Amino acid sequence: EDKVVQSPLSLVVHEGDTVTLNCSYEVTNFRSLLWYKQEKKAPTFLFMLTSSGIEKKSGRLSSILDKKELFSILNITATQTGDSAVYLCAGGDDKIIFGKGTRLHILP
Amino acid sequence: DGGITQSPKYLFRKEGQNVTLSCEQNLNHDAMYWYRQDPGQGLRLIYYSQIVNDFQKGDIAEGYSVSREKKESFPLTVTSAQKNPTAFYLCASSIAQMGGYTFGSGTRLTVV
Repeated sequence: EDKVVQSPLSLVVHEGDTVTLNCSYEVTNFRSLLWYKQEKKAPTFLFMLTSSGIEKKSGRLSSILDKKELFSILNITATQTGDSAVYLCAGGDDKIIFGKGTRLHILP
Repeated sequence: DGGITQSPKYLFRKEGQNVTLSCEQNLNHDAMYWYRQDPGQGLRLIYYSQIVNDFQKGDIAEGYSVSREKKESFPLTVTSAQKNPTAFYLCASSIAQMGGYTFGSGTRLTVV
């Protein structure tokens, strides 16, 4: 059965801390791994990863994929209260499976 | 501006009634998807469609039906057979096989 597992499920840190969110996947037809940020309603796109070992960066956020270990991480440095959200990881090809998400709360 | 429009944002339904959720996109995307989100469950795939007049069941298709008569539209019907329909429903689209979904703003369905 295809699955995407995220950890931790919940995380509370102080503003300025660095966090690492984990995503492991077992997906039959894998083409890409996706990260999303969901604050209130619809998730917003962060990264799409298709190749191992190539880090993608956007401001304080970065992500990398390890296709051998079937794993991805999302790093957020110098966290801010606006980073508080649920972060979703998803993997697959035509059919994409989502993890349950990591709920991140940044304390001021 | 291109995007996905879901309507209505909030919907109340009596038990035993069918209800249809609308999803329209003007992104010229080939693929469209319906997800259901429950607290602590993440997103679960209900149905998806890669091309017009074709769709496949996702992981939790029982009690739901869809149609894809036009590229722009992918309506979801929640039937009375769905035992626990109260949830947040998200529609998404993508250029087929490219990932990078675009999501609608969602419909919150409550059965009363």
